Amino acid sequence: EAGVTQFPSHSVIEKGQTVTLRCDPISGHDNLYWYRRVMGKEIKFLLHFVKESKQDESGMPNNRFLAERTGGTYSTLKVQPAELEDSGVYFCASSQGTRLNTEAFFGQGTRLTVV
Amino acid sequence: AQRVTQPEKLLSVFKGAPVELKCNYSYSGSPELFWYVQYSRQRLQLLLRHISRESIKGFTADLNKGETSFHLKKPFAQEEDSAMYYCALSGRDFGNEKLTFGTGTRLTIIP
Repeated sequence: EAGVTQFPSHSVIEKGQTVTLRCDPISGHDNLYWYRRVMGKEIKFLLHFVKESKQDESGMPNNRFLAERTGGTYSTLKVQPAELEDSGVYFCASSQGTRLNTEAFFGQGTRLTVV
Repeated sequence: AQRVTQPEKLLSVFKGAPVELKCNYSYSGSPELFWYVQYSRQRLQLLLRHISRESIKGFTADLNKGETSFHLKKPFAQEEDSAMYYCALSGRDFGNEKLTFGTGTRLTIIP
């Protein structure tokens, strides 16, 4: 079974440009999460989808970040315009919808560098 | 507010020696505690969680509600245990399944 996959694995962009990160969760997982680890800091929650709906977006840093999950399948996270402080590793995770099995499976991450 | 504290950023232990990675948390409700591990060039993966009370790869962790701790222990370290370890917490109430992570501890096993 394929795990959570993220594209691209690395991205280097200039300040002011736009970048779109993609996450394909494990098939059948209703829950999809985005997290971010900025250099030297802890992994922080960004937002949580249940199917196509945003369950919790309390961790989104500002309105330059836009997340979507079309049809409850893959998700995209767009940063527009990117700033230097957006550099970090962006992780996606997915889990099944029941409380009995809440293990979150992580993707390999996208390393974003804004120069 | 949810908070997880891992006081040690780096920990070096000789092979065969006992390992303890510390984790303390604060949470107003009933938390679910996890340990995640990231080996070199691999993705973050679940090592164990308190609710399952398992021993994985020789590691155990006991939830101590009085001390609000969830320390990870292994009696005899192995070289393949070298990795980044993250303690994490989530709420058990509906709508609060997000994970709150500590800053992580990089464990190095000295041969």
